[in-house]
Amino acid sequence: EDKVVQSPLSLVVHEGDTVTLNCSYEVTNFRSLLWYKQEKKAPTFLFMLTSSGIEKKSGRLSSILDKKELSSILNITATQTGDSAIYLCAVRSGANNLFFGTGTRLTVIP
Amino acid sequence: NAGVTQTPKFQVLKTGQSMTLQCAQDMNHEYMSWYRQDPGMGLRLIHYSVGAGITDQGEVPNGYNVSRSTTEDFPLRLLSAAPSQTSVYFCASHFGGSSTDTQYFGPGTRLTVL
Repeated sequence: EDKVVQSPLSLVVHEGDTVTLNCSYEVTNFRSLLWYKQEKKAPTFLFMLTSSGIEKKSGRLSSILDKKELSSILNITATQTGDSAIYLCAVRSGANNLFFGTGTRLTVIP
Repeated sequence: NAGVTQTPKFQVLKTGQSMTLQCAQDMNHEYMSWYRQDPGMGLRLIHYSVGAGITDQGEVPNGYNVSRSTTEDFPLRLLSAAPSQTSVYFCASHFGGSSTDTQYFGPGTRLTVL
């Protein structure tokens, strides 16, 4: 059975801290792994990682795909209150099967 | 571009009522999908379409119908609403056919079935 597991389920940190969010997966026909940030409404796309692009960085956010360990991490450095959100990991299996984890709720305290 | 749009934003139904959630995209994407998001369950795929006239079931299709008469529109129909269908519904689209494409989501529809 295809599945995506994220940890921790929730995390509370202080501004300026660095956090690491984890995503592990078991899917057939892996195509790509995507990270999303979800605040009040629809998820916002952050990164997509594939076999040809296993590391991505944008500002304070970065992500790495470990295909051997079937996992990915999302790092956020120097956290800000605006980083408070649910972070979703999703894995594309085949052309259109996209399996989501349940997300990690990050709360950044001033 | 407006991206992916959904209507309505909120809806309250009584058990047994039917309704259609609208989804449209103006990016000429081939693939469109409907998801529902429930607490602790993550996003689950209901139905998807790989092009006009072609639809298929996802993980949780029961109680829902879809059709794709145009590239732009992908409505989701609830035939006889049940309280278990209370959820937030997201429509998404992407080009498809490549492992490097990204998926774009609409703003969501919050549905409550009493």
